Amino acid sequence: EVQLVESGGGLVQPGGSLRLSCAASGFTFSSYQMSWVRQAPGKGLEWVSYISSSGRTIYYVDSVKGRFTVSRDDANNSLSLQMNSLRAGDTAIYYCARASSITIFGVVHRPFDIWGQGTMVTVSS
Amino acid sequence: DIQMTQSPSSLSASVGDRVTITCRTSQSIANYLNWYQHKPGKAPKLLIYAASSLQSGVPSRFSGSGAGTDFTLTISSLQPEDFATYYCQENYSSLTFGGGTKVEI
Repeated sequence: EVQLVESGGGLVQPGGSLRLSCAASGFTFSSYQMSWVRQAPGKGLEWVSYISSSGRTIYYVDSVKGRFTVSRDDANNSLSLQMNSLRAGDTAIYYCARASSITIFGVVHRPFDIWGQGTMVTVSS
Repeated sequence: DIQMTQSPSSLSASVGDRVTITCRTSQSIANYLNWYQHKPGKAPKLLIYAASSLQSGVPSRFSGSGAGTDFTLTISSLQPEDFATYYCQENYSSLTFGGGTKVEI
């Protein structure tokens, strides 16, 4: 079964750090681009970070640049998000998501076709 | 950055209704537009990709249309399991999501 399972969430004080993990199974993890997406309480989905299949290309939403670091371990089929200098505004459910690769008339589309169930991060004193 | 404007932000409907949700982008994104369904406590689910292609396993009552800057998600006959929040997402540049549309009874 194709599956993503997040872990590592919890309660942390402002300014603290947390490392999220996403375990992939049922597919060739190394072949896929991956992203982290979050949902703050009562808010919508927000894309947070992207990493290419090679790991060489990485992007972040402006609000986490310089504080969050995404990485991947293809040998262990794992995606990670290191979160430092956490703020109350980072409180959210964090999802990892797989970007599919679908070619239509020669154009490649990469929708998020597989998602994990999410892990809750609460930043509070 | 591309701005995504989804409307309405919420709507009330009944089983059997035809429901239409729109998504407008601040610049042209060709057909790099996806639609997702999200229920509380669940993982988001891909419904439509490339503006109009139905994801495998998704009921045919869901359809998408549009290109450029204006896009539409249509549910032809609303079912009880369709009450959820729907999001558009561009994957032309910054992977931004729209604000969401909550479909409720």
